[in-house]
Amino acid sequence: ETGVTQSPTHLIKTRGQQVTLRCSSQSGHNTVSWYQQALGQGPQFIFQYYREEENGRGNFPPRFSGLQFPNYSSELNVNALELDDSALYLCASSLRNLDYGYTFGSGTRLTVV
Amino acid sequence: SQQGEEDPQALSIQEGENATMNCSYKTSINNLQWYRQNSGRGLVHLILIRSNEREKHSGRLRVTLDTSKKSSSLLITASRAADTASYFCATVANAGGTSYGKLTFGQGTILTVHP
Repeated sequence: ETGVTQSPTHLIKTRGQQVTLRCSSQSGHNTVSWYQQALGQGPQFIFQYYREEENGRGNFPPRFSGLQFPNYSSELNVNALELDDSALYLCASSLRNLDYGYTFGSGTRLTVV
Repeated sequence: SQQGEEDPQALSIQEGENATMNCSYKTSINNLQWYRQNSGRGLVHLILIRSNEREKHSGRLRVTLDTSKKSSSLLITASRAADTASYFCATVANAGGTSYGKLTFGQGTILTVHP
């Protein structure tokens, strides 16, 4: 059984650029969520995907968007990067069942300069 | 926004001692989960307790939940240096509405266990 894989692990971008982060879900998991974690803070929910459709969104602007593919892998896209977007981005996969916890990837550390 | 607060923000103990971390939350929940994070990397799921449960054990971990006080505690017994990490509680709201299964995290407790 494979866990959740995220790529890349580190990324440096310039303000105003666009970035795409990728996530492969744990085998058998059909739901994927993305979280942003600023330094010293708890993760903040960005959005969740189920059956390739966005299924809930946190307090993030539309320049944060995502995709889920038929194999349940996912992408997080951020346009017009701002300095405050610098953070650890975490992907989590799960079954669509509230009785189970989530499996998180190791994250992508994004630095915007 | 964060669901609630964790207490203490930092905890430093000696190996072999017990560590207790507390978590408070604000809204009604379906379940509460505890996660561990090493060195700012991915989170590892430790334990899940449902809203109708009061106590749960897993190895050296003991979690309690008091829904009347909207609080939970995580006890790690006989701590080891390898337990050094940040610990987060996260709540899941009841089913229905948007954001099904969304995790709402606290600020975390940084635990340091000295050998």
